[in-house]
Amino acid sequence: DARVTQTPRDKVTEMGQEVTMRCQPILGHNTVFWYRQTMMQGLELLAYFRNRAPLDDSGMPKDRFSAEMPDATLATLKIQPSEPRDSAVYFCASGHRAGGVETQYFGPGTRLLVL
Amino acid sequence: AQSVTQLDSQVPVFEEAPVELRCNYSSSVSVYLFWYVQYPNQGLQLLLKYLSGSTLVKGINGFEAEFNKSQTSFHLRKPSVHISDTAEYFCAVSDRDDYKLSFGAGTTVTVRA
Repeated sequence: DARVTQTPRDKVTEMGQEVTMRCQPILGHNTVFWYRQTMMQGLELLAYFRNRAPLDDSGMPKDRFSAEMPDATLATLKIQPSEPRDSAVYFCASGHRAGGVETQYFGPGTRLLVL
Repeated sequence: AQSVTQLDSQVPVFEEAPVELRCNYSSSVSVYLFWYVQYPNQGLQLLLKYLSGSTLVKGINGFEAEFNKSQTSFHLRKPSVHISDTAEYFCAVSDRDDYKLSFGAGTTVTVRA
């Protein structure tokens, strides 16, 4: 049963520190999405990649967030420097197109708390 | 651009009772529609999706949804819920030519014995 994996599952850090979140998409999937979930804003799309190329990162604060796919098995989301308002659950999803439709499969999330 | 409205933020329901979660969308183009479920402290899991064809879609765990193009709705139903159905449910829509999903705000279902 193929699944998206994310590490770490939980992260507590202090304001100003760098945070790196990692995602391993399902093998064979060619799109990767990063979402942020908060009580106030719900699910927000931060960035997405197709075939490792960034297609849209308009949902991401550019000054402190960066997303990359160094290879097909790893996607990273970095926050530097982190701020308390970045506290949220960050989800990675991978997707593939079959029968004309893109279907996304979500990882378990990284719960980030910035103190 | 499309948007999704989930009309109920909280739905309490008794075990073995039916439940309906309402979802309306707006889009200027043809869309695909999805329902996801999020159990506590977990990621989102796909329940079902509407692509084309029959307007009644059956998903996992006994859920089904009906697409109504004239009312731009995609309501989710289950005839008899279990305690384990306690979760948050998200309706989502994507344009047929796009990779991105637009999510509703979610509906929290709490099943009581």
